[in-house]
Amino acid sequence: KNQVEQSPQSLIILEGKNCTLQCNYTVSPFSNLRWYKQDTGRGPVSLTIMTFSENTKSNGRYTATLDADTKQSSLHITASQLSDSASYICVVRGGSTLTFGKGTMLLVSP
Amino acid sequence: IAGITQAPTSQILAAGRRMTLRCTQDMRHNAMYWYRQDLGLGLRLIHYSNTAGTTGKGEVPDGYSVSRANTDDFPLTLASAVPSQTSVYFCASSTGSSGSDEQFFGPGTRLTVL
Repeated sequence: KNQVEQSPQSLIILEGKNCTLQCNYTVSPFSNLRWYKQDTGRGPVSLTIMTFSENTKSNGRYTATLDADTKQSSLHITASQLSDSASYICVVRGGSTLTFGKGTMLLVSP
Repeated sequence: IAGITQAPTSQILAAGRRMTLRCTQDMRHNAMYWYRQDLGLGLRLIHYSNTAGTTGKGEVPDGYSVSRANTDDFPLTLASAVPSQTSVYFCASSTGSSGSDEQFFGPGTRLTVL
């Protein structure tokens, strides 16, 4: 069964600090992995997409990594801001199906 | 402004009543989706449509129906609402191409069934 596990479930960090969110998956065959950011009361918005051949991709202060051998991805947030407070959802495409993680809730505290 | 809209924003509904959640996109996307999001369970796919005129069942389709008469609209109907359908519902759309297509989500409808 395809599964996507995210850790931690929730995280509180001080403004300006860095953090890393984890995503482990058992999805086959693997097509791509996408990270979404969901602000409270809003729909998710795509941050970045990783394909099999990509190891690292950056989008501003967000950097995603992918290790296709260990089936792990991480999302690193640098110099966090209050606006980074949100839920971060990892979504893995396996062929024509999408498998969603349950998300990591991040709170950036002033 | 191009995007995807949902209506209503929120609704309180008595159990047993019929309810239709509306979703409209103006991006000419082929594929559309309905998800429900519950605390601790994440987003779960209810129904989807790969193109106008076709629909398919997702992970949790029971108690819900959809139609796709045209490209822009994808309404979700609860024929007889039950309290377990209390949730936040998100509509999404994508180009429908395989591989790296991104889903664009609406703002959501918060539904409470009493």
